[in-house]
Amino acid sequence: NAGVMQNPRHLVRRRGQEARLRCSPMKGHSHVYWYRQLPEEGLKFMVYLQKENIIDESGMPKERFSAEFPKEGPSILRIQQVVRGDSAAYFCASSPTESGNTEAFFGQGTRLTVV
Amino acid sequence: AQSVTQPDIHITVSEGASLELRCNYSYGATPYLFWYVQSPGQGLQLLLKYFSGDTLVQGIKGFEAEFKRSQSSFNLRKPSVHWSDAAEYFCAADSTDSWGKLQFGAGTQVVVTP
Repeated sequence: NAGVMQNPRHLVRRRGQEARLRCSPMKGHSHVYWYRQLPEEGLKFMVYLQKENIIDESGMPKERFSAEFPKEGPSILRIQQVVRGDSAAYFCASSPTESGNTEAFFGQGTRLTVV
Repeated sequence: AQSVTQPDIHITVSEGASLELRCNYSYGATPYLFWYVQSPGQGLQLLLKYFSGDTLVQGIKGFEAEFKRSQSSFNLRKPSVHWSDAAEYFCAADSTDSWGKLQFGAGTQVVVTP
């Protein structure tokens, strides 16, 4: 059973370009969470999705960031018109249910560098 | 506001010595509590978790943590560290009504010296 798969592992974008980060949850998991880790900081929650639904996007910046988890395929975190401050590691986690008393499994992250 | 605090940013410990990492939480009700480890350039691996019951929790790699309600703490311990334990450690909490959304502490960087 493969774990949470994120790709690419490393992504370099020039300022103003778009970044698309992909996350395939563990088999049987329908709940996906995205977190951002800025240098020297802990992880900050961004968004929680279920299939075809955004449940909680309270941690998402209001502009340029969007996320989706379609019926088929991976979850996508999209950052439009990237700026240097978007450089960070973006982690995806998945869980089998929405309840807090289950373990969330993390992917290895996508490290975005904006130049 | 809900928060998780790790007071120690950086800890240096000798190989074979004991290790304790501190974690305090501020929640209205006791949250679910977790400790994760992150090796350089890697993702997060769950060491252990506390949901309810026995306040002393055993995890992987020889780690354990003790939940103390009176102190709002969930400290991580290991009796004898190995060089491979050098990593960053994150305490996290999840309230019972937050849909599995984790709140992380800022992390503690552990350096192991020979």
